Amino acid sequence: NAGVTQTPKFRILKIGQSMTLQCTQDMNHNYMYWYRQDPGMGLKLIYYSVGAGITDKGEVPNGYNVSRSTTEDFPLRLELAAPSQTSVYFCASSYKREGRNTEAFFGQGTRLTVV
Amino acid sequence: AQSVTQLDSHVSVSEGTPVLLRCNYSSSYSPSLFWYVQHPNKGLQLLLKYTSAATLVKGINGFEAEFKKSETSFHLTKPSAHMSDAAEYFCVVSPWGFQKLVFGTGTRLLVSP
Repeated sequence: NAGVTQTPKFRILKIGQSMTLQCTQDMNHNYMYWYRQDPGMGLKLIYYSVGAGITDKGEVPNGYNVSRSTTEDFPLRLELAAPSQTSVYFCASSYKREGRNTEAFFGQGTRLTVV
Repeated sequence: AQSVTQLDSHVSVSEGTPVLLRCNYSSSYSPSLFWYVQHPNKGLQLLLKYTSAATLVKGINGFEAEFKKSETSFHLTKPSAHMSDAAEYFCVVSPWGFQKLVFGTGTRLLVSP
């Protein structure tokens, strides 16, 4: 059971380039999330999804886009990369049991540097 | 509004002494609460969770936390710190029916020999 898998693990982008961070989970979880973590800081929610075809903005969505065409996949798209997007990105998934969120299962992260 | 406050950004202890990491939450509805640990340059690992069962929750590596509704607190404790406990710890709240997980800003635990 692989859990949550993120690719790539590391990436260097030039300013203005675009890329997609991939995230897939094999636990059939409805909820998926993208967070960013800046050095010495906590996690900030970028986007989340409560099921295939449904996405919503988190705290810091500007400069990013997401899609959720299947339960398993939740890619994060960076358009026109900027140095402010240098961060570590975490994908996570969870599900609800009797109305309560279970714990989130995290991927290993993608370390992105924009130069 | 749902929020989490981790009262200390840094906590320093000596190896073998008790650990206390404090977390207060604000939630309109009955919450689920979690503690995660992150070692340097690593991902996040679940330490323990409270989801409305026993108020004293035991987790991995000797950690435990007590849910106190009257104090809106969920403090993390360990009787005896180990060098390997040095890491960043995050308290997380998710109210009943709420879709998102709300993270605290983290507490860095430093353990000295």
